[in-house]
Amino acid sequence: GDSVTQMEGPVTLSEEAFLTINCTYTATGYPSLFWYVQYPGEGLQLLLKATKADDKGSNKGFEATYRKETTSFHLEKGSVQVSDSAVYFCALSDGGYQKVTFGTGTKLQVIP
Amino acid sequence: NAGVTQTPKFQVLKTGQSMTLQCAQDMNHEYMSWYRQDPGMGLRLIHYSVGAGITDQGEVPNGYNVSRSTTEDFPLRLLSAAPSQTSVYFCASSPRGGPLYGYTFGSGTRLTVV
Repeated sequence: GDSVTQMEGPVTLSEEAFLTINCTYTATGYPSLFWYVQYPGEGLQLLLKATKADDKGSNKGFEATYRKETTSFHLEKGSVQVSDSAVYFCALSDGGYQKVTFGTGTKLQVIP
Repeated sequence: NAGVTQTPKFQVLKTGQSMTLQCAQDMNHEYMSWYRQDPGMGLRLIHYSVGAGITDQGEVPNGYNVSRSTTEDFPLRLLSAAPSQTSVYFCASSPRGGPLYGYTFGSGTRLTVV
């Protein structure tokens, strides 16, 4: 079945550091890929998505490229801020109504 | 524009009690779903609905019921609460086509069963 694997957290970075959170997936079809962000005490928010191979999703300085050859969708940001501290979830959807698979989340802590 | 509204935000139940978690959305989304979030396990789908009058089971449906009488509302009922149902519950919605287009989540209900 479908699966999403994220790097273990927590990830602790200093402000203005470069961020990479790794995400790899296993899927039988050609899924859409997502990154969601969850701030403390809140629900998940869609951060970015990509629907086909080589697509790049971007939002709020975050980017991720759909790499079919490596089955990856790594999240990157060039310069993190304290306000980026949150839990980040990678997810995939194969188009079926119930087929959304989430990773276990990676907690990011950015220190001043 | 409220998005997805969940009530209550916090709830403590005794084992065996029943309750309903409320979820309402004002975006005219056809697809709605309930997830539970547990440490180290990500989000797991409980039930979902593709439109008013249509519901189906997700990955972990046991102990929960849902109904969808209107497009806006999708309540989740716990029939007889058990400590294993202690979790954070999220309601999510998306437009026609389902979660392929990305979800809008509510802010969650933190439930403790003692």
